[in-house]
Amino acid sequence: EVHLVESGGGLVQPGGSLRLSCAASGFTFSSDWMDWVRQAPGKGLEWVANIKQDGSEKYYVDSVKGRFTISRDNAKNSLYLQMNSLKVEDTAMYYCSKALGYWGQGTQVTVAS
Amino acid sequence: DIQMTQSPSSLSASVGDRVTITCRASQSISSSLNWYQQKPGKAPKRLMYAASTLDSGVPSRFSGSGSGTEFTLTISSLQPEDFATYSCLQYNSYPRTFGQGTKVEIK
Repeated sequence: EVHLVESGGGLVQPGGSLRLSCAASGFTFSSDWMDWVRQAPGKGLEWVANIKQDGSEKYYVDSVKGRFTISRDNAKNSLYLQMNSLKVEDTAMYYCSKALGYWGQGTQVTVAS
Repeated sequence: DIQMTQSPSSLSASVGDRVTITCRASQSISSSLNWYQQKPGKAPKRLMYAASTLDSGVPSRFSGSGSGTEFTLTISSLQPEDFATYSCLQYNSYPRTFGQGTKVEIK
């Protein structure tokens, strides 16, 4: 059974940084694209970024380009999202997803002073 | 970016009703479309991929159709557990984009 568990969320001030992690199990992690998707309170879903199986290709939504970095460690079955220069509008639940099929339960990121 | 426009944004329906939700893409996305169901406080659950292929375990009352720019999700006979928000996603090009969601409420 596919299992994705996000961690690393929390409260951070504008301009701060956070690193989200996603621990994957139940499938061959190195065989799948992985995505991050977020959802602001009361709002719809927004795709954030994804990364190819070997990490050689990465794509981002424009609003996070230059601030967020997606990465993965296939030896540790883990996905990461390094978030720098955080803005109030980055406040959201962040979900890790296996190729937009299976999803974790999310980790909350709140950016506020 | 490809814009995904869902309609309606919300609807009220009764158990047993047939419900149809539409998603329109601002340009052709072939059949590169997923449908998701999301209940309050929970992660989205994919119902369908490639516009019309049902995910494993999803009841057959759900169906999807369309290609190009217009897509529909149909629930043939609404059940109590189907009251939720439904969203479409295009994965034809980057950035991936979601529709704004359709909230299905009890009438």
